[in-house]
Amino acid sequence: QSVLTQPPSVSGAPGQRVTISCTGSSSNIGAGYDVHWYQQLPGTAPKLLIYGNSNRPSGVPDRFSGSKSGTSASLAITGLQAEDEADYYCQSYDSSLSGSNVFGTGTKVTVL
Amino acid sequence: EVQLVESGGGLVKPGGSLRLSCAASGFTFSSYSMNWVRQAPGKGLEWVSSISSSSSYIYYADSVKGRFTISRDNAKNSLYLQMNSLRAEDTAVYYCAREDCTNGVCLGSFDYWGQGTLVTVSS
Repeated sequence: QSVLTQPPSVSGAPGQRVTISCTGSSSNIGAGYDVHWYQQLPGTAPKLLIYGNSNRPSGVPDRFSGSKSGTSASLAITGLQAEDEADYYCQSYDSSLSGSNVFGTGTKVTVL
Repeated sequence: EVQLVESGGGLVKPGGSLRLSCAASGFTFSSYSMNWVRQAPGKGLEWVSSISSSSSYIYYADSVKGRFTISRDNAKNSLYLQMNSLRAEDTAVYYCAREDCTNGVCLGSFDYWGQGTLVTVSS
């Protein structure tokens, strides 16, 4: 069971804004560790979407944005498009775990 | 172009062993930390193991510690995962992933992923 909790699903109509939360604790996000976000389209490998809480790699549309506050982080998708329908995962570091890297439980985004 | 290509997956009986490989190209492999991440069928991502650029630092998830061994050969631009004492719950697609590092500073994010190789543990 992951120490980073995400809602199982979120949905929105094309053009709308949706947000995905990633809730952690004082041993991971709350300790100041960076949060990263990945998009996984059906049948494909994950793709880095946001790194270092709020930075977009080259080629990622500015419709995607990330933020972090306290023990939580959020991914926002504005101007939702059909091709955004995918699974999204947050990732961070946890000082209470031996290996330390941890992924969130994942969120399925459905475009209505 | 950065490429990561995994191989070595397949069907293995419980208690058996398998060695996964990841061939890297398009970047200076010896400068980057590398990771294995797995995804059980219909489930989420699970980080498995990481190895630093010179193999000095190696970490494992508790779920595989003592059974899996990560290694790399910088001369061959290759990453490996030796998996022993396999269990049904190890059934998953295994991805190798590069950790985003610049000038020796690694950010913790995984910027490139392979296509994955499926490991099925079943009798």
